[in-house]
Amino acid sequence: GQQVMQIPQYQHVQEGEDFTTYCNSSTTLSNIQWYKQRPGGHPVFLIQLVKSGEVKKQKRLTFQFGEAKKNSSLHITATQTTDVGTYFCAPNTNAGKSTFGDGTTLTVKP
Amino acid sequence: EAQVTQNPRYLITVTGKKLTVTCSQNMNHEYMSWYRQDPGLGLRQIYYSMNVEVTDKGDVPEGYKVSRKEKRNFPLILESPSPNQTSLYFCASSLNFFNSPLHFGNGTRLTVT
Repeated sequence: GQQVMQIPQYQHVQEGEDFTTYCNSSTTLSNIQWYKQRPGGHPVFLIQLVKSGEVKKQKRLTFQFGEAKKNSSLHITATQTTDVGTYFCAPNTNAGKSTFGDGTTLTVKP
Repeated sequence: EAQVTQNPRYLITVTGKKLTVTCSQNMNHEYMSWYRQDPGLGLRQIYYSMNVEVTDKGDVPEGYKVSRKEKRNFPLILESPSPNQTSLYFCASSLNFFNSPLHFGNGTRLTVT
């Protein structure tokens, strides 16, 4: 089956520092989605990337899809306390079956 | 309000006592799915449904059953729960599988003693 590795598992930053999480797949992906789960909450959709080399921005968040469509990253510039939570990538390849990375849990120290 | 509704939010039960966790969506979504979330293991798919009367196994289907008799409902059934099924469960739906975002319910925290 599809293997997805998401790193790092945990990241602790000082408020104002940048943060990046990476998602790497062993197979070529059709698309990849990113979700955020606040502590005690449910995953919430952030964005979907479809094209090779695609870059999308949402305010301080930058999402990238690799040229080979096997990896992706989420970068947050100047983290804020509201950014805390777990960020999951969710690559899609096979019809119906969805896979999530193990997530990167971000904590931000004020 | 567009939403995915799961019930109950919390459930404590004993080994072997059949239970059902309900999931309903009001967005006319074709795709529905169940996940379990355990510390350090992320979200693992249990079962999914591409449309009414169409269900298939995810990565961890053992010990679970589902049905999709109506488009809006996708219940998760544990015929004989065991302690290793203690987990946080999420139901999700999307318009279609291939390029639509998943909308998650608020989760059901299940404890089996």
